Amino acid sequence: QSALTQPASVSGSPGQSITISCTGTSSDFGGYNYVSWYQQHPGKAPKVLIYDVNNRSSGVSNRFSGSKSGNTASLTISGLQAEDEADYYCNSYTSSNTWVFGGGTKLTVL
Amino acid sequence: QLQLQESGPGLVKPSETLSLTCTVSGGSISSSGYFWGWIRQPPGRGLEWLGNMHYSGSTYYNPSLKSRITISVDTSKNQFSLKLSSVTAADTAVYFCARRNYASGNWGFWGQGILVTV
Repeated sequence: QSALTQPASVSGSPGQSITISCTGTSSDFGGYNYVSWYQQHPGKAPKVLIYDVNNRSSGVSNRFSGSKSGNTASLTISGLQAEDEADYYCNSYTSSNTWVFGGGTKLTVL
Repeated sequence: QLQLQESGPGLVKPSETLSLTCTVSGGSISSSGYFWGWIRQPPGRGLEWLGNMHYSGSTYYNPSLKSRITISVDTSKNQFSLKLSSVTAADTAVYFCARRNYASGNWGFWGQGILVTV
């Protein structure tokens, strides 16, 4: 199975908003709303930010939000902060009862 | 607080079998509400889902690994394991174990990861 498509990198200045897209096929998203987003700092395990498209994980800032339209899911980070600089991955349940990750997006806070 | 801890050899020879164990503490692996899985990350690259299982025995694997991978559970030790046979250098990665909520895409708990070099 191929990875979901994410931009390799995005950047923004402190206080700005950015959006990371995650594109796949209808089979990649399996007809379910099981899309999640993970933040990973260097040398650390991924941390769930958003699950089931738009549910924020416990303790995650409300600056993070998720959405999905058709075969594209999106993660929006508002009010960018220096500590948001990290790699971000989307993940989805597929129609084959498997899970697939996006290729990852490196966020740089300028 | 739930914790997951990977353990196993950090170096495996080509063509041999990679064997890792994930020990779960602070919660029961026999809970019906969760799936337990393995995810890996080659150095400098992205995440790859390997497979997951329910304590009842149902397992699901990445099709690209299906002939080489086995995930099993030992409820008496509150552990689950990964075996990957016929490894090559392409299997060099940090291997994470993780827990997913049933009927949800929430991989909410992860181990710290273990680097395995082939």
